[in-house]
Amino acid sequence: AQRVTQPEKLLSVFKGAPVELKCNYSYSGSPELFWYVQYSRQRLQLLLRHISRESIKGFTADLNKGETSFHLKKPFAQEEDSAMYYCALRALGNYGQNFVFGPGTRLSVLP
Amino acid sequence: DAGVIQSPRHEVTEMGQEVTLRCKPISGHDYLFWYRQTMMRGLELLIYFNNNVPIDDSGMPEDRFSAKMPNASFSTLKIQPSEPRDSAVYFCASSPRTSDMNTEAFFGQGTRLTVV
Repeated sequence: AQRVTQPEKLLSVFKGAPVELKCNYSYSGSPELFWYVQYSRQRLQLLLRHISRESIKGFTADLNKGETSFHLKKPFAQEEDSAMYYCALRALGNYGQNFVFGPGTRLSVLP
Repeated sequence: DAGVIQSPRHEVTEMGQEVTLRCKPISGHDYLFWYRQTMMRGLELLIYFNNNVPIDDSGMPEDRFSAKMPNASFSTLKIQPSEPRDSAVYFCASSPRTSDMNTEAFFGQGTRLTVV
C-alpha cells in the first residue's frame, strides 16, 4: 500500500530556531519523494525533491530508506516560512503514476 | 504556459444544486489529478486520468461526484446534488508522462466551494 504520514498537524517555532517537519512513507517500490509548500490561500508548489538533492530557501531533506523517512529541515526558521507543508510520494503502477500526499503540517514561525 | 488553470476560483451554491468545476491542464501533460483539501482530511486524491482515461476513481466520495476529461486540454468535476459537507477547496493538478525524470505535479489555484 502507498501511504505518506506526517505526524504533526501543527508545528510552532520561534524565528531563528531550527525546524524539522517529519515525513514517513510506505511504498513497495523505489520511492520518489517530494515536499510541497502552500502559502496562505495559494496553490501548492514544489519545494524540493529527493532526486535533486538540492537546498531550496534553506530547506533540505534526506531520503532515509532504512527508516522510510524524508524529513524536511531548516537550521534557522524565518517568519516567511510560515505555511502548510505537504510531503508527497510518486507511486508507479501498471497504469502510470500517481502522487500520494500526506495530511500536511502547518508551520508557524513566531517572531 | 500559464500553468494549470481552474475555474471558477470561488463558488457559493445552495444545497441540492449542481456544481461544475473546470480545469485546463498544462499543455502536453499526460496526467490530470483532482484533489480535495479540507482542514480535517488534508489533501485527498479524488480521481486521476492518464491520456484522458480515468485510471483510479476510488477516492471519489460517492455517486454524487463525477469527473470527465473529454480531451487533453479540459476536465470537469461535477457534484450533483451538492451538500454542505462538500465545502472544500478543490485542486486540479497535471504532470508529464511517467518517463520524464523530473516529473512533478503542477497545481492550479484551486476552487473554493461553499455549499450553504
